Amino acid sequence: KNEVEQSPQNLTAQEGEFITINCSYSVGISALHWLQQHPGGGIVSLFMLSSGKKKHGRLIATINIQEKHSSLHITASHPRDSAVYICAARSGTASKLTFGTGTRLQVTL
Amino acid sequence: DAGITQSPRHKVTETGTPVTLRCHQTENHRYMYWYRQDPGHGLRLIHYSYGVKDTDKGEVSDGYSVSRSKTEDFLLTLESATSSQTSVYFCAISGHDTGELFFGEGSRLTVL
Repeated sequence: KNEVEQSPQNLTAQEGEFITINCSYSVGISALHWLQQHPGGGIVSLFMLSSGKKKHGRLIATINIQEKHSSLHITASHPRDSAVYICAARSGTASKLTFGTGTRLQVTL
Repeated sequence: DAGITQSPRHKVTETGTPVTLRCHQTENHRYMYWYRQDPGHGLRLIHYSYGVKDTDKGEVSDGYSVSRSKTEDFLLTLESATSSQTSVYFCAISGHDTGELFFGEGSRLTVL
């Protein structure tokens, strides 16, 4: 069992919909990252969270340390949001990361 | 954008040949990582470094070695490439203080 689990694995939405991607982890963490990877593209860090909530444009990330759970929300989704979203838990003295397997999001017109 | 570059970006090689991938950063970050990304597995840590000449193994280190003789360069070497090492390899860097994470563009390696 992976120490970091994401759901759903695949998600299709229509433009304008509100989207939620979930991440649960079983390890103790110092921070949690949300990453975005477009098809054939590189990986970009969207958020780093250790508590509470962060917002950037239409993206919102939340984390509940007690429940070991984080969510990534996309408001007013757009086709350019189509990508794989990956959560990664940071832990240990060398800041090692454990990754979820990703959520593939497709937003259609 | 963070200054992190990988080379080569694409490489095709034959089984049994040595391969070295280079990760170069201009951010002076302490931590550097090599990951491989395969369908169904997500990103898996091969090796990481927490300083010059300080490296350690990750979860899939067999068949790989690394070196970091300068802060800015982290080399990943496949001593004798195998087909199972066909993958996309990503380098990442992270600051000690901020914890921010930056990835290179990826290196696609095909071992025939």
